[in-house]
Amino acid sequence: KQEVTQIPAALSVPEGENLVLNCSFTDSAIYNLQWFRQDPGKGLTSLLLIQSSQREQTSGRLNASLDKSSGRSTLYIAASQPGDSATYLCAVDTGGFKTIFGAGTRLFVKA
Amino acid sequence: DARVTQTPRHKVTEMGQEVTMRCQPILGHNTVFWYRQTMMQGLELLAYFRNRAPLDDSGMPKDRFSAEMPDATLATLKIQPSEPRDSAVYFCASGLARGTDRDTQYFGPGTRLTVL
Repeated sequence: KQEVTQIPAALSVPEGENLVLNCSFTDSAIYNLQWFRQDPGKGLTSLLLIQSSQREQTSGRLNASLDKSSGRSTLYIAASQPGDSATYLCAVDTGGFKTIFGAGTRLFVKA
Repeated sequence: DARVTQTPRHKVTEMGQEVTMRCQPILGHNTVFWYRQTMMQGLELLAYFRNRAPLDDSGMPKDRFSAEMPDATLATLKIQPSEPRDSAVYFCASGLARGTDRDTQYFGPGTRLTVL
């Protein structure tokens, strides 16, 4: 059974700092991995989608990497801003059309 | 600006009542997902549709929950009878799948359900 774990559960950093969020999954047989952002009381917004054949994806200040063999993905946020404060969720598409989400990392960027 | 819409946004009801939540996926998308989010369990997949056919609803309590897609522009999630433990935020998401490739899932704003 696929399990997705995100570390840390919460993170507080000063503005301008570079940071890394971690996601691990137990079964390497995945179709893709997605990183989402969720603001309080809102839905999820997709940030990056990495197909199983890819190693990384970049969008602006965000970079996500995928290492299927070790069951890990990282989301790197450069030059963090207060507007980056949100919960970041990692989701694994396991095939069979199931998407398994991690519990999320709650990020707070202090001005 | 294409987006997934959900109605109602908020629903408060009493135990035993029927609840129906609606979702309009993004035009052209062929996959629809229903999720439930709670503080304790996080995000859980309840049901998945592709080309309007239910492919997976193993995450859904079958005795009280049902999900349908009457047409390509409408997905519904029904709870009958509702219970206090059903209180959660219910999200609908849609996407485009081609063969075994799955595209990004686009989430709606959610329906916050409170069952008293």
